[in-house]
Amino acid sequence: QVQLQESGPGLVKPSETLSLTCSLSGGFISDDYWSWVRQPPGKGLEWIAFIHDSGTTNCSPSLRSRVTISVDTSKNQFSLRLSSVTAADTAVYYCARGGASSKYFDLWGQGTLVTVSS
Amino acid sequence: DIVMTQSPDSLALSLGERATINCKSSQSVLYSPSNNNYLAWYQQKPGQPPKLLIYWASTRESGVPDRFTGSGSGTDFTLTISSLQADDVAVYYCQQYYTTSPTFGQGTKVEIK
Repeated sequence: QVQLQESGPGLVKPSETLSLTCSLSGGFISDDYWSWVRQPPGKGLEWIAFIHDSGTTNCSPSLRSRVTISVDTSKNQFSLRLSSVTAADTAVYYCARGGASSKYFDLWGQGTLVTVSS
Repeated sequence: DIVMTQSPDSLALSLGERATINCKSSQSVLYSPSNNNYLAWYQQKPGQPPKLLIYWASTRESGVPDRFTGSGSGTDFTLTISSLQADDVAVYYCQQYYTTSPTFGQGTKVEIK
């Protein structure tokens, strides 16, 4: 069974960098699109960025200056870095399969809550 | 970015009633050469990740009950739950994947009256 699992610190200080990793099990990360999506407490879903193992990436225009997304096919993982975080970045962060044009999100991780606070 | 707007924000219905959720995109998500609408619907229950229900506007994901139906084309779409069950209590989101910057509607909360 193909599964995604997010991992990373649950608490990040303001102005620091949020770092998360998504691990894929039961499948291969190659030749597909992988995304990060976040959801502030009590609010809706916001797509952050996607990556393909070819290196193709795209980020939400509103977050582009702060986002780095990368993939490690040898570990079957992809990662997110979000710099200069503020309280507005507090959210549940999901990794998911899909996100590029013509790619709906058909597989999701359980999500991990990241709180930005000193 | 394409803006997705759902209506209503919430609805409360009795068990067995029909639920209708609307989604409007700020520009067409219909790709004419293939006649495909790049529109998906998700269901999210409390404490859980979103679950894909419908893609290509009307194709049900494997395992999704047939009481869930997606319809519409261009800029106007509808998710219908033909006979509301207790297990359908959730927030429903539409999402466009026509562009390389996917966007979601704000969500519609469905409750039992």
